[in-house]
Amino acid sequence: VQLVESGGGLVKPGGSLRLSCAASGFTFSYAYMSWVRQAPGKGLEWVGRIKSTTDGGTTDCAAPVKGRFILSRDDSKSTLFLQMNGLKTDDTAVYYCTTDNDSLDYWGQGTLVTVSS
Amino acid sequence: QSVLTQPPSVSGAPGQRVTISCSGSTSNIGSGYDVHWYQQIPGTAPKLLMFDNTHRPSGVPDRFSGSKSGTSASLVITSLQAEDEADYYCQSYDSSLSVVVFGGGTKLTVL
Repeated sequence: VQLVESGGGLVKPGGSLRLSCAASGFTFSYAYMSWVRQAPGKGLEWVGRIKSTTDGGTTDCAAPVKGRFILSRDDSKSTLFLQMNGLKTDDTAVYYCTTDNDSLDYWGQGTLVTVSS
Repeated sequence: QSVLTQPPSVSGAPGQRVTISCSGSTSNIGSGYDVHWYQQIPGTAPKLLMFDNTHRPSGVPDRFSGSKSGTSASLVITSLQAEDEADYYCQSYDSSLSVVVFGGGTKLTVL
């Protein structure tokens, strides 16, 4: 199993960024996937989850990002996305994509998002 | 404030045993939701250490064990080794918040 995040970078408050997570080594279309973030020097914070397409592909998000962040997936490319809008300085963190089997079994290496003016 | 409460730090000498607690409530651990544990060595991504309360993924030494009772869970590490020095996080699901929840993390120092 391999998960490779990309798309992080420096963005100004109020800006947008789209993260990608390329998956391999398992049947992506059957997998639930989650995003977890970790602010500098802080603990882990769940961001959101997307169900498998066969289970409806519905999404859930944590309260701090609800209405601003959108999870999506492209099963044909085994890729997970996180569209982040209305970014705030508090969103500065390393963002990890994970497989979600209730336990978060596999993690990517993370991509750093810095929100600063 | 994390929904699941862990001690900020624990320590032990090589060869000793340490326990990391994870305290929840009736809307998460106490409702029967499983607890999972992750190990994060500084500068690296977290790694699944224990799933479904007591199960070790392949490759995790049997020095690590987990338990759950009531609204709490514990991770026990025996025969402590220098390589165990890391941050440890518990995770479950909270039905009143409808979100995945983590503990605040525990830094294990091997003396």
